[in-house]
Amino acid sequence: DAGITQSPRHKVTETGTPVTLRCHQTENHRYMYWYRQDPGHGLRLIHYSYGVKDTDKGEVSDGYSVSRSKTEDFLLTLESATSSQTSVYFCAIATSGDYEQYFGPGTRLTVT
Amino acid sequence: DAKTTQPPSMDCAEGRAANLPCNHSTISGNEYVYWYRQIHSQGPQYIIHGLKNNETNEMASLIITEDRKSSTLILPHATLRDTAVYYCIVTGTYKYIFGTGTRLKVLA
Repeated sequence: DAGITQSPRHKVTETGTPVTLRCHQTENHRYMYWYRQDPGHGLRLIHYSYGVKDTDKGEVSDGYSVSRSKTEDFLLTLESATSSQTSVYFCAIATSGDYEQYFGPGTRLTVT
Repeated sequence: DAKTTQPPSMDCAEGRAANLPCNHSTISGNEYVYWYRQIHSQGPQYIIHGLKNNETNEMASLIITEDRKSSTLILPHATLRDTAVYYCIVTGTYKYIFGTGTRLKVLA
């Protein structure tokens, strides 16, 4: 257990509304990640962070923004949710050294 | 695109060894091979990783060929709880690219 929590765990929202997902870790790891997973696909990287206020884009970053104002929290924001953003979102952290990642339980987001 | 190729699905009898192959013919010298599994809709779980040498831990063994172009994850005595999607990832950085993995079904 890497001490990762995600909130909310489930959310249903309407198209066009803003949505923020939170990832919280308890162990001060430097690297944090947001992935999405859709049926028939592996996980795809949205954004990641390598320190407070240091973030970068992943493979599928369009329509998403992130913020990391303190080590333990990494926020993913959908400024105006679309149905194509219906997905399961996973947060992960990386320990130092050999790049191992540990994943949170996921947030299931449905945009109607 | 993922740097690895895995069979989409495999079956294994309970109690037998499950051998999951992964091809990574373009691997670079400083890149590791990582294995994760995802049980149902849970977050992926780290299993094992290696650079050149074979590795073993309490969950599995990882066999990497001498030319490093392929590897095999071995679950020595598969149980029903090992039914999952297994992902092989090659990386030399803190960024991963996931493929679609191998869906392993352990049969009673």
